[in-house]
Formats: sequence, C-alpha cells, structure tokens
Amino acid sequence: DGGITQSPKYLFRKEGQNVTLSCEQNLNHDAMYWYRQDPGQGLRLIYYSQIVNDFQKGDIAEGYSVSREKKESFPLTVTSAQKNPTAFYLCASSFYSGRVAETQYFGPGTRLLVL
Amino acid sequence: EDQVTQSPEALRLQEGESSSLNCSYTVSGLRGLFWYRQDPGKGPEFLFTLYSAGEEKEKERLKATLTKKESFLHITAPKPEDSATYLCAVQAWGPGTYKYIFGTGTRLKVLA
Repeated sequence: DGGITQSPKYLFRKEGQNVTLSCEQNLNHDAMYWYRQDPGQGLRLIYYSQIVNDFQKGDIAEGYSVSREKKESFPLTVTSAQKNPTAFYLCASSFYSGRVAETQYFGPGTRLLVL
Repeated sequence: EDQVTQSPEALRLQEGESSSLNCSYTVSGLRGLFWYRQDPGKGPEFLFTLYSAGEEKEKERLKATLTKKESFLHITAPKPEDSATYLCAVQAWGPGTYKYIFGTGTRLKVLA
C-alpha cells in the first residue's frame, strides 16, 4: 500500500537534547512538508522540500533542521534551540509540477513531549 | 494578508440531523481549497479539492461547495462515526503555491 509513515508515534525530549523525527513516503511524490499542530491553532509550516537536496524554510523554521537526501525521506530534527517543542508534528507530501504543488497527503503524526 | 476562518469552532448534532460547516477565506488568488478530516491523535485525511467557484464534490454523506469567498461542507444525515475535526486549507497562486493556509478546524460531535 502506498502511503506516508512517520516514526516514532511518541517521542520524549530531555532538556538540551536534539531529536529526529522520521518521515518516509512511497507515493513517488516530489515535494515533502513538515507542519506543527498546536491546540487551537491551524497547522503551521516548518520546512518544505520540492526536490531532492533542496529545501526551504516555512513560517516557523527557527529551532528546526531538515535534510532531503532521498526522494522518499524527509527527516526533521528538533534542536535544543527550539524552546517550546511540545506539539504534534505532521509530515505531508504531494506531487509538484509546473511550479504548483498538488494535493497534500499527511502521515499519522509524531507527538513530541518534553521531559 | 491571506487568511482562513472556520465556523463554528464546535458543533454537536444528533444522529440524522443535517448541517453545514463554513470555511471563509481571503487570498489574493485562489488556486485550490482543500477539506480534510482529522481524528484525535491522527494525521489529517484528505476529503476534497475544489478549484473554482460553483464547483461541488460529494463523498458518501459529505458534500463540499465553493463560492468566491467561502466553502461549505454539508453533512447529510450524519452518523456517530462522522465525529471528527474538519480542517479547511487554501492554496494561493503566486510564488507561494507550495503553501497551504489552514483554518483552526471545526470539531464535530454526532450523538447517537
């Protein structure tokens, strides 16, 4: 079955620790995205990547980093510089053609909690 | 500024009681409007994409419509399993066509 997988489902971060969230897709999508979801707020874009080896900051990139070494994978690192990391993190992917992103499909999410 | 507002924030319906959810938007040029369903603790599930005013899409008990200023998600004879948060997002033409602007969602509870 084609889809997007995220792991782990729950992640605990200690003070000063960097943690990495995994996102993999087998939909052959070109573009991948990371969003953060907080209660009472709309999804906010952290980073996105339209092609391999290229990515751009979204609206709330501070304290986060990403890489896109393979088309299928787009891991997100939450660094110690992110002072309020507790949230639900969602990865999405879409086709991207003619400078237009098509419908985005989401993974199951990772909940990050701070110890 | 591009903006999406969903109303109501929360809605309780009796099973079989039809209603509509609203998504109003202001964008410089609409490329697409998207509806998603999100269950607690899960990722959003894609429902519909609408591209132009007058367009309608249907799936089971759900029907999405689009005007130049807003979209409605009509739920006909809902069942308890339709309980979820419904998210609306818009995509604008221009340099940021990658970008979706999300509303805060409508939490729907259908009582048996």
